[in-house]
Amino acid sequence: DGGITQSPKYLFRKEGQNVTLSCEQNLNHDAMYWYRQDPGQGLRLIYYSQIVNDFQKGDIAEGYSVSREKKESFPLTVTSAQKNPTAFYLCASSAGGNQPQHFGDGTRLSIL
Amino acid sequence: DQQVKQNSPSLSVQEGRISILNCDYTNSMFDYFLWYKKYPAEGPTFLISISSIKDKNEDGRFTVFLNKSAKHLSLHIVPSQPGDSAVYFCAASEEVDAGGTSYGKLTFGQGTILTVHP
Repeated sequence: DGGITQSPKYLFRKEGQNVTLSCEQNLNHDAMYWYRQDPGQGLRLIYYSQIVNDFQKGDIAEGYSVSREKKESFPLTVTSAQKNPTAFYLCASSAGGNQPQHFGDGTRLSIL
Repeated sequence: DQQVKQNSPSLSVQEGRISILNCDYTNSMFDYFLWYKKYPAEGPTFLISISSIKDKNEDGRFTVFLNKSAKHLSLHIVPSQPGDSAVYFCAASEEVDAGGTSYGKLTFGQGTILTVHP
């Protein structure tokens, strides 16, 4: 089955610790995206990548980092600089342009 | 600055009736609009989209209407079913330019919780 896989589903972070969220897609999509959802709010764009080895900051990139070394993979690192990391993180991919984005099932990150 | 707004946090309708979800936007550069449906603890699922060159797009029970002059779009679900109960997000993207700087970037509304009662 083609789709987007995010892991883990739940993640706990200690203060001062970096954590990495995994996102893998087998849809052969060029573009990939990371969003954050907070309660009662819409999705906000963290980073996006149009093509391998290229990525751009979204609206709320501070405290996050990404890499795009393979077409299939777009991991997101939540660094210790992100002061309010507790949220639901969603990864998406698309064929590009105005093609609809397809989402994974998300990772819920909490602070211990 | 909320460029895409869904002013109704929740909507409750009876099974078989019409559900109308509304969305307003402020950015006149938006030219492509989408509706997503989301269940708890899952990612959003694409429902239907519309380009700014159209004012209506229909797919089965779902119809999206776009009023560009009012910067308003709506999603109609007819007839509504209990399985339609979910959070609905509208989203918008700007024209993709030659430089690709708006390459499919979506701006989402806050979402509307739809509950369809049997």
